[in-house]
Amino acid sequence: AQTVTQSQPEMSVQEAETVTLSCTYDTSESDYYLFWYKQPPSRQMILVIRQEAYKQQNATENRFSVNFQKAAKSFSLKISDSQLGDAAMYFCAYRSGGYGGSQGNLIFGKGTKLSVKP
Amino acid sequence: AAGVIQSPRHLIKEKRETATLKCYPIPRHDTVYWYQQGPGQDPQFLISFYEKMQSDKGSIPDRFSAQQFSDYHSELNMSSLELGDSALYFCASSAPLNEKLFFGSGTQLSVL
Repeated sequence: AQTVTQSQPEMSVQEAETVTLSCTYDTSESDYYLFWYKQPPSRQMILVIRQEAYKQQNATENRFSVNFQKAAKSFSLKISDSQLGDAAMYFCAYRSGGYGGSQGNLIFGKGTKLSVKP
Repeated sequence: AAGVIQSPRHLIKEKRETATLKCYPIPRHDTVYWYQQGPGQDPQFLISFYEKMQSDKGSIPDRFSAQQFSDYHSELNMSSLELGDSALYFCASSAPLNEKLFFGSGTQLSVL
C-alpha cells in the first residue's frame, strides 16, 4: 500500500521569505502523480501544484515549485515570496496512474500547518 | 468556471438519524470521489464512482451508501448516525483522462 508522510506538523515563515515543506512517500508503482493541496481556514481544498512521476522536470506554478526526487521518494514544496494569504494547511497527496475505472483515489499526508508572519 | 457543488453546506443531525449529502460534479467530469475529514485530520477516502459505477471503495462504514445518477450527480446516504460521524465531507470530481481532482466546498456534518 502507498503511504505519504509529512514530517513537519507546523511551519512558520516571514512574509516575503521562502519556505520549503517536506513530503516523502512510499510506493512500488512506477506510474503515479503527486500533488500539493492547500486548505485555508475556509476548509476549501485547493490544488496548488502537481507532478507526474515520469517527468524529471520539477513542476512550477508562479511562486510555488516542487523538488521531486524520484529515487529518494521525496516531493517537497517551495513557496517563494510568501504572502499572508499563503497561511493554510498544506497536504501532500499521492495518486496511482491510470484513468477511468482504474483511476486511483488520492492518499493524503497528515498535513503541515503553515503560518505567515507579517 | 463551474466548480463542484455540494449541498447542504452545513447539516445538524441527532444520533441514529439519517443524512443525505449531494454532490454535483463539474460538467463533463466522469468520476466522483467522496472523502471524510475529521477535525484536525487529513481527508480519508470513502468511495468513488466512474461512469455511474462504483470504481473504488475505501474506509466507508457499512451504514453509509452512495450512488451516482444518470446526470452524474452523486449522493452519500448515511444511516444510524453516530457522534464520530461528525466531520467535513468532501466530494471531488475529475475529467476523463485527467489526473487532477477538484474538490467542492464540503458539507459540515454535526451529529449531536
